[in-house]
Amino acid sequence: NAGVTQTPKFRILKIGQSMTLQCTQDMNHNYMYWYRQDPGMGLKLIYYSVGAGITDKGEVPNGYNVSRSTTEDFPLRLELAAPSQTSVYFCASSPAGGNSYEQYFGPGTRLTVT
Amino acid sequence: QQPVQSPQAVILREGEDAVINCSSSKALYSVHWYRQKHGEAPVFLMILLKGGEQKGHEKISASFNEKKQQSSLYLTASQLSYSGTYFCGTEKPGGYQKVTFGIGTKLQVIP
Repeated sequence: NAGVTQTPKFRILKIGQSMTLQCTQDMNHNYMYWYRQDPGMGLKLIYYSVGAGITDKGEVPNGYNVSRSTTEDFPLRLELAAPSQTSVYFCASSPAGGNSYEQYFGPGTRLTVT
Repeated sequence: QQPVQSPQAVILREGEDAVINCSSSKALYSVHWYRQKHGEAPVFLMILLKGGEQKGHEKISASFNEKKQQSSLYLTASQLSYSGTYFCGTEKPGGYQKVTFGIGTKLQVIP
């Protein structure tokens, strides 16, 4: 199993451009998450999904959009990029269930907006 | 609300012990612990569930005081490989496994 994969690894955007960060998992997990991590800070939840067709906002959703058409894929869309969106973005997945389960993280995408 | 971790940073010599604390002002369903090495993704260490169940797979232990909404991570006989930033994450009841992470504790183990 590849686990959680993210593309691209690095990207530089100009202010106002748009892009989609890709995330795919091959573990058949229902729950998927997008986080951003700024230097010296923890992980902030942007959006999450509990299954195909179901998404909801996290702590910092402004400036982002998501979709979940399949169990495997959970792309994150940045519209009108701003310097404040410079960050490292992590996608994660976990099994659904009554108990709490660990989250499996992808390797991250380092995004710079200039 | 973001959990509070302490200390923010610690330096250990190989073989020494450390305790990292995590506290929340909200009632918790579970506490997660992850370690992140520089430039890498966070890696799962342990989950502590309300009711006392503990899940983990490394030689690191933890406790969860539900009444005080606090958790502690115990690293004993530290190894160089323990270096990294440790994050606690807290989950509220009925939270769809949404985890709110603290800002992390940077641990450096030196020879």
